Amino acid sequence: EAGVTQFPSHSVIEKGQTVTLRCDPISGHDNLYWYRRVMGKEIKFLLHFVKESKQDESGMPNNRFLAERTGGTYSTLKVQPAELEDSGVYFCASSQENSGANVLTFGAGSRLTVL
Amino acid sequence: RKEVEQDPGPFNVPEGATVAFNCTYSNSASQSFFWYRQDCRKEPKLLMSVYSSGNEDGRFTAQLNRASQYISLLIRDSKLSDSATYLCVVNRGYQKVTFGTGTKLQVIP
Repeated sequence: EAGVTQFPSHSVIEKGQTVTLRCDPISGHDNLYWYRRVMGKEIKFLLHFVKESKQDESGMPNNRFLAERTGGTYSTLKVQPAELEDSGVYFCASSQENSGANVLTFGAGSRLTVL
Repeated sequence: RKEVEQDPGPFNVPEGATVAFNCTYSNSASQSFFWYRQDCRKEPKLLMSVYSSGNEDGRFTAQLNRASQYISLLIRDSKLSDSATYLCVVNRGYQKVTFGTGTKLQVIP
């Protein structure tokens, strides 16, 4: 079974530029999550999709971040315009619907460096 | 107070030692609990779920104490390969999952 895949693995951009991160969840997983870890801090929730709908986007830091999940398959997270404090590792995770234990399977992460 | 709290460590232990980590959570309505392991520059991976009755997987034992609102992870006979960051993860229900900051373990030869 293919795992959660994320692209790119590492992106280096300048402040003010735009970056789009992509996540392909495990096939059949309705739940897709985006998390972020900035240097020295804990992994923080950004948002949660159930299929194509945003279930919870309370963790999105501001309106420079836009997440989409067209057709309920892969998801993109766009940062526009990027700021220095956006640097960190962006993890995507997926889980099956009705999984009571809600075990998350993570992708390898996309490391974003904003210069 | 943070929703999930862990001692960040690092815990430096010799090979063969037994080490225990605790994690406290603030929301008494939390429903399920997990330990994840994260290696340097890698993604978090599920180590084990934590049940009230306690559960064991080889050298790893996890316990949940709902009355005191903490979970623990015990690693016996530590191996060099156990060196990693151990993340406490709490599910408050409705799929709201919160991570602790992680506890760093370094097993030294």
